[in-house]
Amino acid sequence: KAGVTQTPRYLIKTRGQQVTLSCSPISGHRSVSWYQQTPGQGLQFLFEYFSETQRNKGNFPGRFSGRQFSNSRSEMNVSTLELGDSALYLCASSWDSDSRNQPQHFGDGTRLSIL
Amino acid sequence: QQQVKQSPQSLIVQKGGISIINCAYENTAFDYFPWYQQFPGKGPALLIAIRPDVSEKKEGRFTISFNKSAKQFSLHIMDSQPGDSATYFCAASSTSGSARQLTFGSGTQLTVLP
Repeated sequence: KAGVTQTPRYLIKTRGQQVTLSCSPISGHRSVSWYQQTPGQGLQFLFEYFSETQRNKGNFPGRFSGRQFSNSRSEMNVSTLELGDSALYLCASSWDSDSRNQPQHFGDGTRLSIL
Repeated sequence: QQQVKQSPQSLIVQKGGISIINCAYENTAFDYFPWYQQFPGKGPALLIAIRPDVSEKKEGRFTISFNKSAKQFSLHIMDSQPGDSATYFCAASSTSGSARQLTFGSGTQLTVLP
């Protein structure tokens, strides 16, 4: 079974640009979450999507947005990039359950560098 | 109240020794506690997880100990090997409402010397 696939693996952008990152979850997983990982702030939750709807959102500015498609694939977008947005962006998928937390499985991330 | 505190920040252990990483939480709504292992250039990989209805869970050389009253949990790696050298993250989440977000500890960089 293929794992979580994130593309691209590396991106270099300049301040003020926007970027779109892609995530394909494990087959059968309908919940997709995004996290930002930086040396200073660690791993921080961005948002979670389920059935094409954002179900939960972390404490990030509106420049960070996402969406989920009917096949559960997800994209996140960051507009007006700032130097501080340089980070590893991780996607995680899980088989959803209303009653119990299910394990989240991570992709290898997209390394975004802002010049 | 959402924070998960992890210690130590770094840990050096001899091959064959026991590695112990500790985490503490405040939010009593947390009911799922996974541990992740991350190698450089890779995403976090789920190692082992526990729910608060058990006090200990063991999978191979990895054991989670959970103390609900103290709101603490720890990872023990027995017979540590150089291949275990990685960064370890504890995490916690709650089933209440629609929340599925993981709140992570700050990570422990483990080095196992040969």
